[in-house]
Amino acid sequence: AQKITQTQPGMFVQEKEAVTLDCTYDTSDPSYGLFWYKQPSSGEMIFLIYQGSYDQQNATEGRYSLNFQKARKSANLVISASQLGDSAMYFCAMREMNRDDKIIFGKGTRLHILP
Amino acid sequence: GAGVSQSPSNKVTEKGKDVELRCDPISGHTALYWYRQSLGQGLEFLIYFQGNSAPDKSGLPSDRFSAERTGGSVSTLTIQRTQQEDSAVYLCASSFAGSSYEQYFGPGTRLTVT
Repeated sequence: AQKITQTQPGMFVQEKEAVTLDCTYDTSDPSYGLFWYKQPSSGEMIFLIYQGSYDQQNATEGRYSLNFQKARKSANLVISASQLGDSAMYFCAMREMNRDDKIIFGKGTRLHILP
Repeated sequence: GAGVSQSPSNKVTEKGKDVELRCDPISGHTALYWYRQSLGQGLEFLIYFQGNSAPDKSGLPSDRFSAERTGGSVSTLTIQRTQQEDSAVYLCASSFAGSSYEQYFGPGTRLTVT
């Protein structure tokens, strides 16, 4: 079974609209971290946002926020007021502290922002 | 400070040759990962080093692939008898141990097997 599932292989969104990228995860470890990375066409991997399993509040970083629903095991990334520069591949990842502390990635969602 | 570096940035090799890819992680990072990414695809996990523990080799696609990490720092990924399907970008990442720490990625090595 996949540990990290990103069900949207590709999305097209109009500029300035908000975007939600889906991510669900599977773990029995009570202590884990969730991450989102952005990979533009240049290929670099850019860390965006982190959510800890014990965090009470949803993480926010500028225009990025993480909609963390622990009971549903979902960690969707929300990008507000999308910009053309947001066009990229986005990866969700999980790190389980009490297993081997290995980071596991989803297959990614390719986001296209339309002018 | 310095980030994760990888060398070479590009490598073109003939089918059947061996190649070595190098990764210099951020100083102090105990965890080191290798991934492979084919064009437009996701990250394929290859191998994971954590401190002095035995590496997690569960992602290596065949016995032609091997990796080592000397002195808990620099890592080398070796591909023997390269095949055309080995062509991809090989990414290295490092991090501190612990679930709250993100990975820092290197720029990758683009391997082309002709």
